[in-house]
Amino acid sequence: GQSLEQPSEVTAVEGAIVQINCTYQTSGFYGLSWYQQHDGGAPTFLSYNALDGLEETGRFSSFLSRSDSYGYLLLQELQMKDSASYFCAVRRDDKIIFGKGTRLHILP
Amino acid sequence: DAGVIQSPRHEVTEMGQEVTLRCKPISGHDYLFWYRQTMMRGLELLIYFNNNVPIDDSGMPEDRFSAKMPNASFSTLKIQPSEPRDSAVYFCASKSDRSTYNEQFFGPGTRLTVL
Repeated sequence: GQSLEQPSEVTAVEGAIVQINCTYQTSGFYGLSWYQQHDGGAPTFLSYNALDGLEETGRFSSFLSRSDSYGYLLLQELQMKDSASYFCAVRRDDKIIFGKGTRLHILP
Repeated sequence: DAGVIQSPRHEVTEMGQEVTLRCKPISGHDYLFWYRQTMMRGLELLIYFNNNVPIDDSGMPEDRFSAKMPNASFSTLKIQPSEPRDSAVYFCASKSDRSTYNEQFFGPGTRLTVL
């Protein structure tokens, strides 16, 4: 089987930096993805890490440590529009298994 | 491209009725996935297809659920008979086998309410 753990909620201030952690247990691991979902919307892809290290895309970065079965999503220069749920997801073969998501609240 | 298209966007039905959800994937994508999202259970993979062939249906909750993909442009998820506990948002997603980042593209979802 597989399991993913991420905090259910995180609160941060506009303009600040926030890190959302994800730990996983799975067999046949191929990589870790992150998706964003706004209320009433569909999940949208943010990043994918297949190898250890940091991947940067604009204000967002994602990190993976395969030996620790751990990853995180880093959001910098937070904006109010970043208020959403963030899901980590592990890739197994052709499919991905999603965590329960982290609700990010941003205070002005 | 218009992205993944789902219909209907909202469906309200009574317990015992048949429900059919529809999905048109992005043209050229090889994979199609059906997910169900609820507050309690999160985002669950129900079934996925590769080149129109069902590969893994282990997430389908029970025999009341069935999915088909008669061609590369169309898929259906059917619930018969529907029950109140089936109320959820159902997402369809597609991806290309050539994607470097294994990115899945989600449709807008169908919000199903079973009374």
